Amino acid sequence: ETGVTQTPRHLVMGMTNKKSLKCEQHLGHNAMYWYKQSAKKPLELMFVYNFKEQTENNSVPSRFSPECPNSSHLFLHLHTLQPEDSALYLCASSQDGGAPEKLFFGSGTQLSVL
Amino acid sequence: KNQVEQSPQSLIILEGKNCTLQCNYTVSPFSNLRWYKQDTGRGPVSLTIMTFSENTKSNGRYTATLDADTKQSSLHITASQLSDSASYICVVSAKSGGSYIPTFGRGTSLIVHP
Repeated sequence: ETGVTQTPRHLVMGMTNKKSLKCEQHLGHNAMYWYKQSAKKPLELMFVYNFKEQTENNSVPSRFSPECPNSSHLFLHLHTLQPEDSALYLCASSQDGGAPEKLFFGSGTQLSVL
Repeated sequence: KNQVEQSPQSLIILEGKNCTLQCNYTVSPFSNLRWYKQDTGRGPVSLTIMTFSENTKSNGRYTATLDADTKQSSLHITASQLSDSASYICVVSAKSGGSYIPTFGRGTSLIVHP
């Protein structure tokens, strides 16, 4: 185990649903990230939180809404998604968001949008 | 634009054989290069990190090389095992101010057959 836990592991939702992805890290890290991994494409950085403050929003559509209540928890709220949003969503953490020498990833949530 | 290109896209080898995965990058200013292993249904896990001054680094049966002049890295796997079947992702980080910006490759999918 990497110390980063994501739930649920799998999620199927319709385009009108609202759901949330959860991530928790037990490593004492200060930075947390959301990445999107689509088939045959490199990982795409979505959001970065450093000490609970959002430091990066990589031009992500507003149908994805992150929330970071504390340094150990990160959520990704989903609403009115499109089929092209189907992907593996990975949460990661690092000791320092300004210098992410090493990322620790969760196992991801495999999302299917019907 | 910073880019990381990996080859081959996929590779099938027999158990016990060696293989080499390639990573070419155009990332500037270069800070470090990491190889991650991603098992199916899991998040990526760091295998090794290379900095500018390092030419080679080993982690068990995995040996990474770096040629900073030609901007190439390779990951050599010796005496492959079935558990080596995974996607191997090359990540090159650039230093921007006090931050490190990682650029991900698409990965090489390795299948080891018995």
